[in-house]
Amino acid sequence: AQSVTQLDSQVPVFEEAPVELRCNYSSSVSVYLFWYVQYPNQGLQLLLKYLSGSTLVKGINGFEAEFNKSQTSFHLRKPSVHISDTAEYFCAVSSNDMRFGAGTRLTVKP
Amino acid sequence: EAGVAQSPRYKIIEKRQSVAFWCNPISGHATLYWYQQILGQGPKLLIQFQNNGVVDDSQLPKDRFSAERLKGVDSTLKIQPAKLEDSAVYLCASGYSGQRQFFGPGTRLTVL
Repeated sequence: AQSVTQLDSQVPVFEEAPVELRCNYSSSVSVYLFWYVQYPNQGLQLLLKYLSGSTLVKGINGFEAEFNKSQTSFHLRKPSVHISDTAEYFCAVSSNDMRFGAGTRLTVKP
Repeated sequence: EAGVAQSPRYKIIEKRQSVAFWCNPISGHATLYWYQQILGQGPKLLIQFQNNGVVDDSQLPKDRFSAERLKGVDSTLKIQPAKLEDSAVYLCASGYSGQRQFFGPGTRLTVL
């Protein structure tokens, strides 16, 4: 069975600063990796996914993530955040089923 | 393309009552998932269907929770009887096994 650990429960940053949200996973089989975003009072939306191929994955809203197999990590990054990026971010790993991390609350301050 | 539909959006019940949630997945999606998301936590997979068969229900509290997807399309999730700790958002998602999942808006359950 796979599991996901999001290393930071809360990440406060100032607007236009870079941000990295960390995600580590464990699995005995090959997996697919995802980042989802949940804006306040809204449903889960897919930010980006890694299925195969290039380890650097670009998603919506300027986010990107890098799959590192040796470190079993899939960290999410954005070079310059906006107030509107304030949300809960979930890392997820999937083989036959999908497991989510506990989430990281990103708060962007002016 | 129509998304995943769920109803009701909100439900308030007293403990020991029963409640049912309904999900209509995106047309053509063989895989359907039910998740429980407790406030401040990530979604926890309760059950996964592939067509009308159960693939994974290892985290479903089977003494009180049940789910079915009789015709391989719509699904219902039932809780009987409800406990205070069942207060959560219940998310339905559909997709293809191992691939991206499309989530519905969720049903927010409050058990008093």
